[in-house]
Amino acid sequence: AQSVSQHNHHVILSEAASLELGCNYSYGGTVNLFWYVQYPGQHLQLLLKYFSGDPLVKGIKGFEAEFIKSKFSFNLRKPSVQWSDTAEYFCAVNNNQGGKLIFGQGTELSVKP
Amino acid sequence: DTGVSQDPRHKITKRGQNVTFRCDPISEHNRLYWYRQTLGQGPEFLTYFQNEAQLEKSRLLSDRFSAERPKGSFSTLEIQRTEQGDSAMYLCASSSAGGYTEAFFGQGTRLTVV
Repeated sequence: AQSVSQHNHHVILSEAASLELGCNYSYGGTVNLFWYVQYPGQHLQLLLKYFSGDPLVKGIKGFEAEFIKSKFSFNLRKPSVQWSDTAEYFCAVNNNQGGKLIFGQGTELSVKP
Repeated sequence: DTGVSQDPRHKITKRGQNVTFRCDPISEHNRLYWYRQTLGQGPEFLTYFQNEAQLEKSRLLSDRFSAERPKGSFSTLEIQRTEQGDSAMYLCASSSAGGYTEAFFGQGTRLTVV
């Protein structure tokens, strides 16, 4: 079955700490991978995406993610978080024909000033 | 801003009533998706359209749920005989067709069934 698993339900960090959020997927075939962010009271927004090519992708606001095909993983990283990064983060996957996204359950990130 | 627009933003209804939500996608997008999100969970796929054709429906979508996109532009999602378990955020997203595209999400409609 197609699924996405996010390792952490709630992460609490202090400002300037480094962030890594885990994401593993189970999906047959070639995949597209995404990280979406939902700030409090706002809609889901795309942070970054991987379609093909360089497995290290850079997104907005200093976020990056690395696709490791052998581990079926697409972990999100940021070297130094800010209070404004407080949000819920969702990993998602679809196939290379596009179409429906399969989401993980989300990770709530709280950054303390 | 010509992003994805959903109406209403909030809906409170009594159990057993019918409700209808509307989604206006980004104008040049020909794919439109509906998802449902409950507290503490990621969005779950319900159905999607390419132009006016409904290409896929989730098994989550019971017979009480129906979606339309009659002219390939806006879409409606109707829930008949609502149940308390239908309480959730209903999200609409749109994208271009093709394999290497991203979906853009609306603000969602929060449904509360009392």
